[in-house]
Amino acid sequence: GENVEQHPSTLSVQEGDSAVIKCTYSDSASNYFPWYKQELGKRPQLIIDIRSNVGEKKDQRIAVTLNKTAKHFSLHITETQPEDSAVYFCAALPGIRYGGATNKLIFGTGTLLAVQP
Amino acid sequence: KAGVTQTPRYLIKTRGQQVTLSCSPISGHRSVSWYQQTPGQGLQFLFEYFSETQRNKGNFPGRFSGRQFSNSRSEMNVSTLELGDSALYLCASSLGGESSYEQYFGPGTRLTVT
Repeated sequence: GENVEQHPSTLSVQEGDSAVIKCTYSDSASNYFPWYKQELGKRPQLIIDIRSNVGEKKDQRIAVTLNKTAKHFSLHITETQPEDSAVYFCAALPGIRYGGATNKLIFGTGTLLAVQP
Repeated sequence: KAGVTQTPRYLIKTRGQQVTLSCSPISGHRSVSWYQQTPGQGLQFLFEYFSETQRNKGNFPGRFSGRQFSNSRSEMNVSTLELGDSALYLCASSLGGESSYEQYFGPGTRLTVT
């Protein structure tokens, strides 16, 4: 079935260092890969996404890379700051089947990022 | 634009009761998806509604149901509540077209079943 694996489950970095979170998906027809940031007690917030026809996307200190052959995608945060501390979720949108579109996202299990000042 | 809203924000129910949760999507969004978030299982897809039709369903028992109204607002219902249904229930809205995949979450409804 459709599955997304996410590593590591926890990540602690010093302020100013880079952080990398990796995900692997099972459905080779997946075509959309968003990343969400969830602070304690808050809603998941879409921070960046990438589509299957693009290999890399960058938005200020955040970048996402996609390797379709290996079915891997990664989140890169540079120059981390204490306010980057949160749980980060990757997700994949399975390919369209049976002629119908879907918004069913398959989520990874989350990475708790702690940025130490 | 106003974001996704959910009501109520908190609920405490007893085993065996039923509950209805509400979600109002971003104006112009026609797709509403529901997710259950628990510490053990993470974020799991319940179902999605688009233009008042259920477009996809996750692997949850029939006690979980939903609907969508003509103004795109959506409700989900859980009947015969069990202790394991305690979770944060999140809805996410999206334009819903094949070229617009971005989903934006509401603040969630925290359901506690005692």
